[in-house]
Amino acid sequence: EVQLVESGGGLVQPGGSLRLSCAASEFTFSSYEMIWVRQAPGEGLEWLSYINPSGTTIYYADSVRGRFSISRDNAKNSLHLQMNSLRVEDTAVYYCARENLGYSGSGTYAFDIWGQGTMVTVSS
Amino acid sequence: QSALTQPASVSGSPGQSITISCTGTSSDVGNYNLVSWYQHHPGKAPKFLIYEGTKRPSGVSNRFSASKSGNTASLTISGLQPEDEADYYCCSYAGSRTYVFGSGTKVTVL
Repeated sequence: EVQLVESGGGLVQPGGSLRLSCAASEFTFSSYEMIWVRQAPGEGLEWLSYINPSGTTIYYADSVRGRFSISRDNAKNSLHLQMNSLRVEDTAVYYCARENLGYSGSGTYAFDIWGQGTMVTVSS
Repeated sequence: QSALTQPASVSGSPGQSITISCTGTSSDVGNYNLVSWYQHHPGKAPKFLIYEGTKRPSGVSNRFSASKSGNTASLTISGLQPEDEADYYCCSYAGSRTYVFGSGTKVTVL
């Protein structure tokens, strides 16, 4: 089954760091754009970061730029999010997602496979 | 990067049709035909419903349809069913591989 599974969440103090991972299975991970998205308690989805298939093009939302770092290991079919200088407002469920390839095999700027999420709680 | 505006809640009876709006700006929704929609049951992975504004991926019910006019995109659910009760999010491409999601709409089946 094509799937993404996040891990690495947990409780961390403000100012601390955490590294999230997203394990991909049953598809050619190295061919897909990937993103991270989060959902704070009682809030909506928020796009955080994008990475292209080779890992050479990366973008961040203003809310995390300079603190979070996205990366990928295509040999290990894994995506990562290094989160530093964590704040209370970073408390959320974090999801990884895969960009959909349309019938032509080109990206559609939409996301067809999502993980179940991993919870990050930033609290003293 | 402000969230796209969606109504907080929409409700309907089984069999009825409902429409969820998603309002952005000329920098996102209005500038690209790249709005997607997702259904999210709390605690589960979001489900992909619509891409490129109006296209339905294989396996998604044809009860879900979408459109766009100017800076506003819309998702219509026809023949509302109990299992449609969920949160719904729009998402628009905003240039340079950045994205903005909607504020989310809770759909209640009465």
